[in-house]
Amino acid sequence: GAGVSQSPSNKVTEKGKDVELRCDPISGHTALYWYRQSLGQGLEFLIYFQGNSAPDKSGLPSDRFSAERTGGSVSTLTIQRTQQEDSAVYLCASTSHNANTGELFFGEGSRLTVL
Amino acid sequence: AQKITQTQPGMFVQEKEAVTLDCTYDTSDPSYGLFWYKQPSSGEMIFLIYQGSYDQQNATEGRYSLNFQKARKSANLVISASQLGDSAMYFCAMREFGGYSTLTFGKGTMLLVSP
Repeated sequence: GAGVSQSPSNKVTEKGKDVELRCDPISGHTALYWYRQSLGQGLEFLIYFQGNSAPDKSGLPSDRFSAERTGGSVSTLTIQRTQQEDSAVYLCASTSHNANTGELFFGEGSRLTVL
Repeated sequence: AQKITQTQPGMFVQEKEAVTLDCTYDTSDPSYGLFWYKQPSSGEMIFLIYQGSYDQQNATEGRYSLNFQKARKSANLVISASQLGDSAMYFCAMREFGGYSTLTFGKGTMLLVSP
Protein backbone atom coordinates (compact mmCIF):
# COMPACT_ATOMS: atom_id res chain seq x y z
CA GLY A 1 0.00 0.00 0.00
CA ALA A 2 0.92 3.63 -0.19
CA GLY A 3 1.18 4.25 3.53
CA VAL A 4 1.74 2.52 6.84
CA SER A 5 -1.17 0.25 7.58
CA GLN A 6 -2.19 -0.82 11.08
CA SER A 7 -4.79 -3.26 12.25
CA PRO A 8 -7.06 -3.46 14.04
CA SER A 9 -7.97 0.21 14.15
CA ASN A 10 -9.90 -0.39 17.33
CA LYS A 11 -9.67 -3.20 19.84
CA VAL A 12 -11.68 -3.64 23.02
CA THR A 13 -10.56 -6.45 25.25
CA GLU A 14 -11.02 -7.71 28.75
CA LYS A 15 -8.34 -7.41 31.37
CA GLY A 16 -6.09 -10.45 31.32
CA LYS A 17 -6.53 -11.27 27.64
CA ASP A 18 -3.71 -11.20 25.11
CA VAL A 19 -3.82 -8.86 22.11
CA GLU A 20 -1.87 -8.62 18.89
CA LEU A 21 -1.47 -5.43 16.94
CA ARG A 22 -0.19 -5.50 13.38
CA CYS A 23 1.81 -2.99 11.38
CA ASP A 24 2.51 -3.16 7.66
CA PRO A 25 5.13 -0.51 6.85
CA ILE A 26 5.74 1.31 3.61
CA SER A 27 7.36 -1.03 1.13
CA GLY A 28 11.14 -0.77 1.21
CA HIS A 29 11.33 0.98 4.56
CA THR A 30 13.94 -0.80 6.62
CA ALA A 31 13.25 0.88 9.94
CA LEU A 32 10.05 0.39 11.92
CA TYR A 33 9.01 1.94 15.21
CA TRP A 34 6.27 1.34 17.73
CA TYR A 35 5.05 4.17 19.94
CA ARG A 36 2.28 4.37 22.51
CA GLN A 37 0.14 7.44 23.07
CA SER A 38 -2.08 7.58 26.11
CA LEU A 39 -5.04 9.96 26.12
CA GLY A 40 -3.86 13.55 25.86
CA GLN A 41 -0.22 12.56 26.19
CA GLY A 42 2.84 12.60 23.99
CA LEU A 43 4.36 9.67 22.18
CA GLU A 44 6.14 7.06 24.27
CA PHE A 45 8.76 5.04 22.39
CA LEU A 46 8.38 1.29 22.70
CA ILE A 47 10.68 -0.49 20.24
CA TYR A 48 12.67 0.05 17.07
CA PHE A 49 13.42 -2.47 14.33
CA GLN A 50 16.13 -2.25 11.73
CA GLY A 51 15.29 -5.05 9.34
CA ASN A 52 14.20 -7.97 11.49
CA SER A 53 16.35 -7.14 14.47
CA ALA A 54 15.48 -4.83 17.34
CA PRO A 55 18.53 -2.78 18.33
CA ASP A 56 16.46 -0.78 20.78
CA LYS A 57 13.66 -2.30 22.80
CA SER A 58 14.31 -0.14 25.81
CA GLY A 59 10.85 1.37 25.78
CA LEU A 60 8.87 -1.82 26.30
CA PRO A 61 7.15 -1.17 29.63
CA SER A 62 7.19 -4.74 30.95
CA ASP A 63 7.82 -8.32 29.93
CA ARG A 64 4.15 -8.56 28.97
CA PHE A 65 5.05 -6.59 25.88
CA SER A 66 6.89 -8.16 22.97
CA ALA A 67 7.28 -7.45 19.28
CA GLU A 68 8.62 -9.16 16.26
CA ARG A 69 9.21 -8.36 12.65
CA THR A 70 9.45 -10.91 9.89
CA GLY A 71 10.76 -10.65 6.36
CA GLY A 72 11.85 -7.11 7.02
CA SER A 73 8.26 -6.07 6.62
CA VAL A 74 5.24 -6.73 8.82
CA SER A 75 5.57 -6.29 12.56
CA THR A 76 3.39 -7.57 15.37
CA LEU A 77 3.20 -6.05 18.83
CA THR A 78 1.86 -8.49 21.41
CA ILE A 79 0.58 -7.55 24.82
CA GLN A 80 -0.01 -10.46 27.16
CA ARG A 81 -2.36 -10.42 30.13
CA THR A 82 -3.55 -6.92 29.32
CA GLN A 83 -4.09 -4.41 32.09
CA GLN A 84 -6.26 -1.30 32.12
CA GLU A 85 -3.18 0.92 32.03
CA ASP A 86 -2.34 -0.61 28.64
CA SER A 87 -5.28 1.31 27.15
CA ALA A 88 -3.81 3.70 24.60
CA VAL A 89 -3.31 4.30 20.92
CA TYR A 90 -0.44 2.25 19.57
CA LEU A 91 1.25 3.95 16.65
CA CYS A 92 3.55 2.34 14.16
CA ALA A 93 5.91 4.30 11.94
CA SER A 94 8.44 3.44 9.28
CA THR A 95 11.25 5.19 7.52
CA SER A 96 14.06 4.65 5.11
CA HIS A 97 17.26 5.77 6.76
CA ASN A 98 18.55 6.62 3.34
CA ALA A 99 16.16 9.52 3.33
CA ASN A 100 17.86 12.83 3.94
CA THR A 101 15.58 13.85 6.72
CA GLY A 102 14.73 10.44 8.12
CA GLU A 103 11.19 11.57 8.83
CA LEU A 104 8.86 8.93 10.15
CA PHE A 105 5.71 7.99 8.31
CA PHE A 106 2.99 7.04 10.75
CA GLY A 107 0.04 4.72 10.51
CA GLU A 108 -3.33 5.76 11.85
CA GLY A 109 -2.83 3.76 15.01
CA SER A 110 -4.57 0.96 16.84
CA ARG A 111 -6.74 2.14 19.69
CA LEU A 112 -6.70 -0.40 22.50
CA THR A 113 -9.24 -0.30 25.29
CA VAL A 114 -8.85 -2.72 28.17
CA LEU A 115 -11.98 -3.10 30.26
CA ALA B 1 16.63 14.10 31.79
CA GLN B 2 14.15 14.98 29.10
CA LYS B 3 15.68 15.24 25.69
CA ILE B 4 12.86 17.34 24.26
CA THR B 5 11.02 19.97 26.27
CA GLN B 6 7.89 21.75 25.16
CA THR B 7 6.94 24.16 27.91
CA GLN B 8 3.61 25.35 26.49
CA PRO B 9 0.80 22.86 27.14
CA GLY B 10 -1.59 25.08 25.21
CA MET B 11 -1.50 28.13 23.00
CA PHE B 12 -4.23 30.37 21.63
CA VAL B 13 -3.94 32.50 18.52
CA GLN B 14 -6.33 34.42 16.35
CA GLU B 15 -6.76 33.56 12.73
CA LYS B 16 -4.23 35.25 10.43
CA GLU B 17 -1.80 35.95 13.24
CA ALA B 18 1.59 34.31 13.64
CA VAL B 19 2.37 31.98 16.53
CA THR B 20 5.57 30.49 17.91
CA LEU B 21 5.64 27.08 19.56
CA ASP B 22 8.65 26.53 21.78
CA CYS B 23 10.96 23.54 21.80
CA THR B 24 14.26 23.01 23.54
CA TYR B 25 16.39 19.90 23.32
CA ASP B 26 19.31 18.25 25.00
CA THR B 27 21.98 16.20 23.26
CA SER B 28 25.72 15.70 23.24
CA ASP B 29 25.67 14.23 19.74
CA PRO B 30 26.98 16.79 17.24
CA SER B 31 24.87 15.27 14.49
CA TYR B 32 21.13 15.29 14.98
CA GLY B 33 17.87 16.21 13.35
CA LEU B 34 14.91 18.12 14.67
CA PHE B 35 11.36 17.52 13.51
CA TRP B 36 7.93 19.00 14.02
CA TYR B 37 4.78 16.94 13.64
CA LYS B 38 1.14 18.00 13.71
CA GLN B 39 -1.56 15.77 15.16
CA PRO B 40 -5.13 16.94 14.45
CA SER B 41 -8.07 15.56 16.40
CA SER B 42 -8.35 12.75 13.87
CA GLY B 43 -5.13 11.35 15.32
CA GLU B 44 -2.81 11.01 12.36
CA MET B 45 0.74 12.31 12.70
CA ILE B 46 1.64 14.75 9.95
CA PHE B 47 5.28 15.67 9.32
CA LEU B 48 5.73 19.42 8.99
CA ILE B 49 9.37 20.42 8.90
CA TYR B 50 12.92 19.20 9.48
CA GLN B 51 16.14 20.90 10.57
CA GLY B 52 19.52 19.20 10.53
CA SER B 53 22.11 20.20 13.09
CA TYR B 54 24.57 21.16 10.38
CA ASP B 55 22.09 23.09 8.29
CA GLN B 56 23.23 26.67 7.98
CA GLN B 57 19.84 28.14 7.28
CA ASN B 58 16.59 27.86 9.14
CA ALA B 59 14.18 25.43 7.52
CA THR B 60 11.01 26.73 5.92
CA GLU B 61 8.02 24.91 4.46
CA GLY B 62 5.23 27.15 3.29
CA ARG B 63 3.74 28.84 6.34
CA TYR B 64 5.99 26.87 8.68
CA SER B 65 9.47 27.93 9.63
CA LEU B 66 11.84 26.62 12.23
CA ASN B 67 13.74 29.15 14.33
CA PHE B 68 16.89 27.11 15.00
CA GLN B 69 19.21 28.52 17.64
CA LYS B 70 21.89 25.89 18.02
CA ALA B 71 23.82 27.47 20.88
CA ARG B 72 20.64 27.77 22.91
CA LYS B 73 19.47 24.31 21.81
CA SER B 74 16.13 25.58 20.73
CA ALA B 75 14.07 24.74 17.67
CA ASN B 76 10.89 26.80 17.81
CA LEU B 77 8.18 26.35 15.21
CA VAL B 78 6.73 29.52 13.74
CA ILE B 79 3.39 29.33 11.97
CA SER B 80 2.59 32.44 9.99
CA ALA B 81 -0.92 33.55 9.06
CA SER B 82 -2.67 30.98 11.26
CA GLN B 83 -5.70 29.21 9.86
CA LEU B 84 -8.55 27.46 11.66
CA GLY B 85 -7.24 24.17 10.32
CA ASP B 86 -4.00 24.68 12.21
CA SER B 87 -5.80 23.83 15.45
CA ALA B 88 -4.08 20.64 16.54
CA MET B 89 -1.46 19.14 18.82
CA TYR B 90 2.11 19.91 17.77
CA PHE B 91 5.05 17.74 18.69
CA CYS B 92 8.72 18.55 18.53
CA ALA B 93 11.05 15.57 18.08
CA MET B 94 14.74 14.82 17.77
CA ARG B 95 16.86 12.03 16.36
CA GLU B 96 20.51 11.70 17.25
CA PHE B 97 22.41 10.29 14.27
CA GLY B 98 25.25 8.67 16.19
CA GLY B 99 24.59 4.95 16.52
CA TYR B 100 21.09 3.54 16.68
CA SER B 101 18.65 6.24 17.42
CA THR B 102 14.97 6.59 17.82
CA LEU B 103 12.90 9.67 17.30
CA THR B 104 12.21 11.15 20.73
CA PHE B 105 9.14 13.32 21.12
CA GLY B 106 8.24 16.14 23.43
CA LYS B 107 4.93 16.17 25.29
CA GLY B 108 3.33 18.45 22.75
CA THR B 109 1.59 21.81 22.59
CA MET B 110 -2.12 22.12 21.85
CA LEU B 111 -2.74 25.04 19.49
CA LEU B 112 -6.20 26.52 19.19
CA VAL B 113 -6.88 29.01 16.42
CA SER B 114 -9.92 31.23 16.90
CA PRO B 115 -11.83 33.15 14.22
